[in-house]
Amino acid sequence: GQQVMQIPQYQHVQEGEDFTTYCNSSTTLSNIQWYKQRPGGHPVFLIQLVKSGEVKKQKRLTFQFGEAKKNSSLHITATQTTDVGTYFCAARETSGSRLTFGEGTQLTVNP
Amino acid sequence: DVKVTQSSRYLVKRTGEKVFLECVQDMDHENMFWYRQDPGLGLRLIYFSYDVKMKEKGDIPEGYSVSREKKERFSLILESASTNQTSMYLCASSLIGGNQPQHFGDGTRLSIL
Repeated sequence: GQQVMQIPQYQHVQEGEDFTTYCNSSTTLSNIQWYKQRPGGHPVFLIQLVKSGEVKKQKRLTFQFGEAKKNSSLHITATQTTDVGTYFCAARETSGSRLTFGEGTQLTVNP
Repeated sequence: DVKVTQSSRYLVKRTGEKVFLECVQDMDHENMFWYRQDPGLGLRLIYFSYDVKMKEKGDIPEGYSVSREKKERFSLILESASTNQTSMYLCASSLIGGNQPQHFGDGTRLSIL
């Protein structure tokens, strides 16, 4: 089946530093979604990217979809302790409703 | 808001037992999914269903079965539980279509002794 690679697996930052997680697929994607899971919680949908080269922003979070629609990134500017959690990308191939999730990047923020 | 409810937050069972995990959603979603979450492996799809009585295998269906008799309820069954099925199990639902987000329950942490 489809594989989605996400790096890094862990990231520790000082509060105020930036953070980026990357998601890569060997196949062209229909769209990609990003989810956040707080410690002890469940994944919560953040955003979806559909178009080649698309960039979307949510306050300090910037999401990008690659031109070839094979990779994506999530960048957080000036991290805060509320950003702590695991960030997952989830990719969809050409059709259907199923998603393939990346392994996730666990972010810890030191105050 | 969408509510996805899983029947148990924590569950402890013994090897060889038949285990039922229940999931109910209240938003009339067509799609329902069962994942297991293990450290370093992300979320892996076990089974999903796009309609009542319909089911599709995911990436790791071995040792599991599912039942969807009503639209709002999706059950995961471990036919004969084994220790390697100790994990966090997450249920999700979504509207039909390729651009719909998935809504997750709080998860069931299952331990097989």
